[in-house]
Amino acid sequence: GAVVSQHPSRVICKSGTSVKIECRSLDFQATTMFWYRQFPKQSLMLMATSNEGSKATYEQGVEKDKFLINHASLTLSTLTVTSAHPEDSSFYICSGAGQELGYTFGSGTRLTVV
Amino acid sequence: GIQVEQSPPDLILQEGANSTLRCNFSDSVNNLQWFHQNPWGQLINLFYIPSGTKQNGRLSATTVATERYSLLYISSSQTTDSGVYFCAVGRDNTDKLIFGTGTRLQVFP
Repeated sequence: GAVVSQHPSRVICKSGTSVKIECRSLDFQATTMFWYRQFPKQSLMLMATSNEGSKATYEQGVEKDKFLINHASLTLSTLTVTSAHPEDSSFYICSGAGQELGYTFGSGTRLTVV
Repeated sequence: GIQVEQSPPDLILQEGANSTLRCNFSDSVNNLQWFHQNPWGQLINLFYIPSGTKQNGRLSATTVATERYSLLYISSSQTTDSGVYFCAVGRDNTDKLIFGTGTRLQVFP
């Protein structure tokens, strides 16, 4: 079946640095990639939607200059958390959507900012 | 936007018990899915069920679209069923999914 590979699975970074999270669709073309954030014991909150080759659409309250999303190809999307702070510590999950395949979720990235 | 509420928020069961989880949504949708999030965070798709009833082993789900709710039934629960169950809705099969508040299930031996 369809697989989205998400890396890294865990990352610890220092406050003020940037972190890049990658999601690759391995056996299908993800025309759309959704990025979610999940704080402990809470639900998944949609951060942004990206379509290949165009700018991402951010949900209300999500800073586009802080969470940079790139979807340069049909198989790769990246989320960069810039100038990370402890409050950005969270679980980030991507989901790729392709024609007739529905949604395929990555395994998530647990980010800890110290 | 669409609001998705799930109940109960927490559920504790002994192995072998049955349970019903509920998902209410505030607007018409053409996509509704149930997920199980395991302790490592991985989301596992259980059902795609915008309407009607489906069964898969010990799990079954029913969505009454006209009344804007869906139910997930777990029969003969096992410890491996523990985790968080989410329903998620969307306008169609490729639109963004809005996740519900979740039900945290703990099954004890």
